[in-house]
Amino acid sequence: EADIYQTPRYLVIGTGKKITLECSQTMGHDKMYWYQQDPGMELHLIHYSYGVNSTEKGDLSSESTVSRIRTEHFPLTLESARPSHTSQYLCASKPDNLYGYTFGSGTRLTVV
Amino acid sequence: AQSVTQLGSHVSVSEGALVLLRCNYSSSVPPYLFWYVQYPNQGLQLLLKYTSAATLVKGINGFEAEFKKSETSFHLTKPSAHMSDAAEYFCAVSSPSGNTGKLIFGQGTTLQVKP
Repeated sequence: EADIYQTPRYLVIGTGKKITLECSQTMGHDKMYWYQQDPGMELHLIHYSYGVNSTEKGDLSSESTVSRIRTEHFPLTLESARPSHTSQYLCASKPDNLYGYTFGSGTRLTVV
Repeated sequence: AQSVTQLGSHVSVSEGALVLLRCNYSSSVPPYLFWYVQYPNQGLQLLLKYTSAATLVKGINGFEAEFKKSETSFHLTKPSAHMSDAAEYFCAVSSPSGNTGKLIFGQGTTLQVKP
């Protein structure tokens, strides 16, 4: 079964550290997305990509950056983590001709 | 601009009772609408979607939703709640025009099912 994978599932890290959250999908989807979700809150789009070498900022301003060098891989990087970055980060993808995303299981990040 | 409002951040029902989760949308163009479910510490799973075909949409796990343009609503229902339905439910809207495919999510509704 095709799927979308996020690693790590949980991460606790100190302030100032650089971190990369991984997201990979095996479905060949061109469009990929990163959402940030605070506990009990709605999801906010922070980055998206139409395909290789395409990245755009989302509706919610974020200090993170993304890259899309390969279709299947859409990592998110924080150069210097801060406690305000503590949140759940959800990755999703969708094919061009259909609506509705496939979501990964998320990475729950805690910055101490 | 598009937006979604979910009425009621918490809904509690007894096992076997009707589940009704409310969603109203705002969109300047005919929308595509979705319901997702999120279990604790997991990602989101698509329950059902409306993409301009039949206005009554059936999804997984016995859920269904009806698109009512006159009321700008897309409420989620299930005739009989199970304990396993306890989760967070998100309504979302997307525009069929344009190329981004972005989803705008509501604030979510936590469904509690009491024995």
